Amino acid sequence: ILNVEQSPQSLHVQEGDSTNFTCSFPSSNFYALHWYRWETAKSPEALFVMTLNGDEKKKGRISATLNTKEGYSYLYIKGSQPEDSATYLCAFLIVSGRDDKIIFGKGTRLHILP
Amino acid sequence: ETGVTQTPRHLVMGMTNKKSLKCEQHLGHNAMYWYKQSAKKPLELMFVYNFKEQTENNSVPSRFSPECPNSSHLFLHLHTLQPEDSALYLCASSQRTGISNYEQYFGPGTRLTVT
Repeated sequence: ILNVEQSPQSLHVQEGDSTNFTCSFPSSNFYALHWYRWETAKSPEALFVMTLNGDEKKKGRISATLNTKEGYSYLYIKGSQPEDSATYLCAFLIVSGRDDKIIFGKGTRLHILP
Repeated sequence: ETGVTQTPRHLVMGMTNKKSLKCEQHLGHNAMYWYKQSAKKPLELMFVYNFKEQTENNSVPSRFSPECPNSSHLFLHLHTLQPEDSALYLCASSQRTGISNYEQYFGPGTRLTVT
């Protein structure tokens, strides 16, 4: 059974502090790793699509790293702001011929405290 | 707005009813997906359509029946559902070729309650 684990499940961070959380995934048959942000009452939106071991991607104050050999990715948020409050999902992709397997973690729920 | 619309946004149905969920994407993508989000569970991929052809059915009960008449529209037909099928149903689309690496564009979801 393919499993994607995210930790922690929930996180409270003071506004202005930096934080990070983890996504662990199977290290075999890797195709891509996605990070999504899911704000309450909205749809999940892609933050990063990562494909290469050692990838580092950045979007504003948010960045992510990828280690496909050991099967983990970190998401970092620098100087947290109230608008960062959301659930952050990672998804592991396997592509085989015409078939897609997209396996999501349960997410890390981030609360920014004013 | 992500370019993916879903209707209805909320649906309450009895166990003997038949209803359909509709999804439309305006992004020119060639793959569409149905997901189920139940409380305290991860997003579960239900069905995948690539170029209008179903390529993935993750052991979904037959009371859920997908239909993809063209690459822009996706339906989920529901009949004789159970209360445990109450969940948020999300539709997504992606581009299955090129360098997009299957980035998912999600609709707003349909909140389904089965009574």
